[in-house]
Amino acid sequence: GQQVMQIPQYQHVQEGEDFTTYCNSSTTLSNIQWYKQRPGGHPVFLIQLVKSGEVKKQKRLTFQFGEAKKNSSLHITATQTTDVGTYFCAGNAGNNRKLIWGLGTSLAVNP
Amino acid sequence: KAGVTQTPRYLIKTRGQQVTLSCSPISGHRSVSWYQQTPGQGLQFLFEYFSETQRNKGNFPGRFSGRQFSNSRSEMNVSTLELGDSALYLCASSYIAGVSYNEQFFGPGTRLTVL
Repeated sequence: GQQVMQIPQYQHVQEGEDFTTYCNSSTTLSNIQWYKQRPGGHPVFLIQLVKSGEVKKQKRLTFQFGEAKKNSSLHITATQTTDVGTYFCAGNAGNNRKLIWGLGTSLAVNP
Repeated sequence: KAGVTQTPRYLIKTRGQQVTLSCSPISGHRSVSWYQQTPGQGLQFLFEYFSETQRNKGNFPGRFSGRQFSNSRSEMNVSTLELGDSALYLCASSYIAGVSYNEQFFGPGTRLTVL
């Protein structure tokens, strides 16, 4: 079946270090969405990318969608303790409205 | 606008019982999706309802069912509870317009513990 693999599963960084999580799909995606879930909270939408090769920035966060629309990445520059949480990617394949979710990357930031 | 609300927030049940969880989407959102979240398993999709019709379904046994009412509020029911059903159940609503893919807005979840 359609799968989205997300790596790494866990990442510990020192505050100020950079962080990247990667999403790889077994099938071409129509779009990719990124969500953040703080400990004890619920997923919150961050951004959506729809175009091949698209790059979007939100302050210290940079999101990329691969040329083949099968992979994506989220890069955080100079992490802060407020970045702690689990980052999920999710995408739609074709016209199917069912989102395919990655298992998430849990980020811990040591102050 | 008020966010997605879920009730109850916490629930403790025993094996064999059944449970009903409720979700009220953001006003104007007609799509409601349900997810099960357990540690290490990410978000497991249960089903999606749109305009009172189940539009998508995940790979869960028939013990898991849902419905949506004309005001877009949704309920999910789990019958004959098993220990493995202990999880955080999340509801997400979305505004569907045309063929665009819109973000999902999640509720705070219902933490279900099965003893």
